[in-house]
Amino acid sequence: GIQVEQSPPDLILQEGANSTLRCNFSDSVNNLQWFHQNPWGQLINLFYIPSGTKQNGRLSATTVATERYSLLYISSSQTTDSGVYFCAVLYGNKLVFGAGTILRVKS
Amino acid sequence: NAGVTQTPKFQVLKTGQSMTLQCAQDMNHNSMYWYRQDPGMGLRLIYYSASEGTTDKGEVPNGYNVSRLNKREFSLRLESAAPSQTSVYFCASSEARGSRSSYNEQFFGPGTRLTVL
Repeated sequence: GIQVEQSPPDLILQEGANSTLRCNFSDSVNNLQWFHQNPWGQLINLFYIPSGTKQNGRLSATTVATERYSLLYISSSQTTDSGVYFCAVLYGNKLVFGAGTILRVKS
Repeated sequence: NAGVTQTPKFQVLKTGQSMTLQCAQDMNHNSMYWYRQDPGMGLRLIYYSASEGTTDKGEVPNGYNVSRLNKREFSLRLESAAPSQTSVYFCASSEARGSRSSYNEQFFGPGTRLTVL
């Protein structure tokens, strides 16, 4: 099956700092999604991005499908950005998740 | 639109008891999914229903059964709960068909936290 690897596993930031999260996958995929799991456990859709670049406020994402990776950029981080960030790829008709990046933003 | 809703939010069972987790979506989506999330891990697919009337196994189906009751509802049943089934369970749905490029995007419910003693 497909392997989805996220890095770094943990990240601590000072409020206002920028960060880049990475997602590597081992095979061609039909879809890639980024999620934020907040401290209450809710999964929030950030991006649906099988290829190209998208931006939404302070967040942006880029997927280079031919090189099998995606990047999530967080600029001017806020304490509300804390939580776990997951990438997930659609492989066949199944969504396969990475293990996540735990982000802690300190004030 | 409520999106994807799940009941109950929390449940504690004793080993061997049975229960059904309920999921409903109001987005007129064709496909629905059940996942489990264990500590420190991403979500893993238990079962999915590509369309009304069909169900298929995912990565970790053992110990579970599902029913696609109608287009809106997809339930997950534990017939004889075991401590290894202690987890957070998420239901999701996607349009999975259509002309929009994002038809495969999945949307998740709030989860059910299940503890089996």
